[in-house]
Amino acid sequence: EVQLVESGGGLVQPGGSLRLSCVASGFTFSRYWMYWVRQAPGEGPMVVSVINTDDTYTRYADSVKGRFTISRDNAKNTLYLQVNSLRAEDTAVYYCARDSGRALGDLPHWGQGTLVTVSS
Amino acid sequence: DIQVTQSPSTLSASAGDRVTITCRASQSITTWLAWFQQKPGKAPRLLIYKASTLESGVPSRFSGSGSGTEFTLTISSLQPDDFATYYCQQYNSFPYTFGQGTKVEIK
Repeated sequence: EVQLVESGGGLVQPGGSLRLSCVASGFTFSRYWMYWVRQAPGEGPMVVSVINTDDTYTRYADSVKGRFTISRDNAKNTLYLQVNSLRAEDTAVYYCARDSGRALGDLPHWGQGTLVTVSS
Repeated sequence: DIQVTQSPSTLSASAGDRVTITCRASQSITTWLAWFQQKPGKAPRLLIYKASTLESGVPSRFSGSGSGTEFTLTISSLQPDDFATYYCQQYNSFPYTFGQGTKVEIK
């Protein structure tokens, strides 16, 4: 069974930083593209970033480009999101998600999410 | 970026009703469209991918159709467990955008 467990969220002041982690199990982590998706309160989800299998290709939503960095450690079955220069509008539940293997962006597997709150 | 717009934003229905939700893309996405169900405090659950293919384990009362820019999700006979918020998502091109959601409420 595919399991994705996020951690690292919390309350942070504007301008602050956090490192989110997602530990994967139940599948061969190194074979799948991985995603971070966030959902602000009362809004639809938004794909923040994507990374390929060997960390040689990454993409970011315009709203986080230059502030967020996605990475992975295939030896540790772990996906990361370094979030810097946080703003109030970054407040959201952050989910990691696994590609289906059928097509990029096809997301059948999600973690339970970790809440990031940006507030002074 | 490709925008996706859902309608209606809220839908009131009774158990047993047939329910249809519409999703429109700002440009053609052929059939690169998914539908998700989300309940409060939970992650979204994939129901349908490639516009009309049912994800494994999803009840057959859910169906999807459409191509190009117009898509529909239909629930043939609404069950108590189906009261939730539904999102469409295009994955034709990055960023893979979601609609704003349709909340299906008890009438």
